[in-house]
Parts: sequence; structure tokens; C-alpha cells
Amino acid sequence: GIQVEQSPPDLILQEGANSTLRCNFSDSVNNLQWFHQNPWGQLINLFYIPSGTKQNGRLSATTVATERYSLLYISSSQTTDSGVYFCAVVDDGANNLFFGTGTRLTVIP
Amino acid sequence: EPEVTQTPSHQVTQMGQEVILRCVPISNHLYFYWYRQILGQKVEFLVSFYNNEISEKSEIFDDQFSVERPDGSNFTLKIRSTKLEDSAMYFCASRTANEQFFGPGTRLTVL
Repeated sequence: GIQVEQSPPDLILQEGANSTLRCNFSDSVNNLQWFHQNPWGQLINLFYIPSGTKQNGRLSATTVATERYSLLYISSSQTTDSGVYFCAVVDDGANNLFFGTGTRLTVIP
Repeated sequence: EPEVTQTPSHQVTQMGQEVILRCVPISNHLYFYWYRQILGQKVEFLVSFYNNEISEKSEIFDDQFSVERPDGSNFTLKIRSTKLEDSAMYFCASRTANEQFFGPGTRLTVL
């Protein structure tokens, strides 16, 4: 099946700093989503972004489908941004999401 | 804003017992999913359901698992005889077009 790799695995930031999280995938996809898993375990939808760029407040994402990667940008990080960020993709011919191993973000005050 | 709901939020059971996890998908969604996440690991696909039947399932979804849509709103996952390794967070998800939306999860602990 499709492989989804995320980097870095762990990231510690000072409050106010910016960061970039990366997601690489091994095959063509027709869906890509970014999620934030909060400390209570809930998966919060951040972006549905199979291609192009989207912004939502301090967060933005870019997917370059032809080069098989996506980036999630977090600006002016806050302690509430802490948690695990997952990238998940649907490859051609399937309809379920394949998740990456996540990036654990810790924002310290 | 409509959301996927799941009950119970926590379930503790003895090995060998049957459990039923319940989900209410978003009302106009047509595709339903179950995923699981073992503590500290990534989220894994179990099964997808469309038009009242299973459309895809993973290797994890063996004969111990079953899914059902008993009425117009509920979607259930049954584990017939739980094992220690079934301890995990189980997520239900639904979609109408492309974007999947997840419920808050049921944390299952098998003792």
C-alpha cells in the first residue's frame, strides 16, 4: 500500500515561533487531509488539500501532488497548538485514509 | 455544525467478552468508516461501509469484527471475543464528498 512519511517526528518550539511540518507520500493521491490530535485524543480536521494552498488563521498548508509532498505551516505558535499532527491520504482506487506516523509538537511558554 | 458522535467514550471489558461500539455519522453522509489507534501509534483503517454493505476492509478486520447500520442513524462496530491486543482508541468517520470527519473516539481497554 501507499507509504506516508512525516517529518520531523518530534518538534519542540517556544511560544511565538513558526514551524513547518512535512508529509511525503509514495504514490498518486486523490485526497490529502491534515489533522491535529489534541491531548484528549480527538482528531480535529485542519485541511482537506489534495493540491494547492489553503490558509486558516495561523495555519496554512500546501500540497504539491506532482512531487508527492505536503507542508503544514504553523505561525506564531501557541501552547494550545501542542499535540500530534497527522497527514493522511487516499490513494487512487481506494476510499480509506492512510495515515502517517505523525509529528508530535510541543509548544512551551 | 454537524459532527460525528460516538458512545461510549470509554469501555473496559474482560478478555473474551463481546463489545459494541456505537457511532452516529453526520446525517447526510453516505460513506462510513472505522479506524483504530493503538496507544502511541498511527491511526489504522479497519473497514468502510457504503450502501448498507462493506466496501473495503483491512487485514486487521478479521472474523472477530463486524459492522452494522441497524437503523437510519447508527453505525456500530462489534468485536465478538475481545483480545488484549484489541485495546485501542476506535474512531468512527463519515464523508459525503471527499473530506472525512472523525468522531471523538471510544477508548477500549481489554483486561
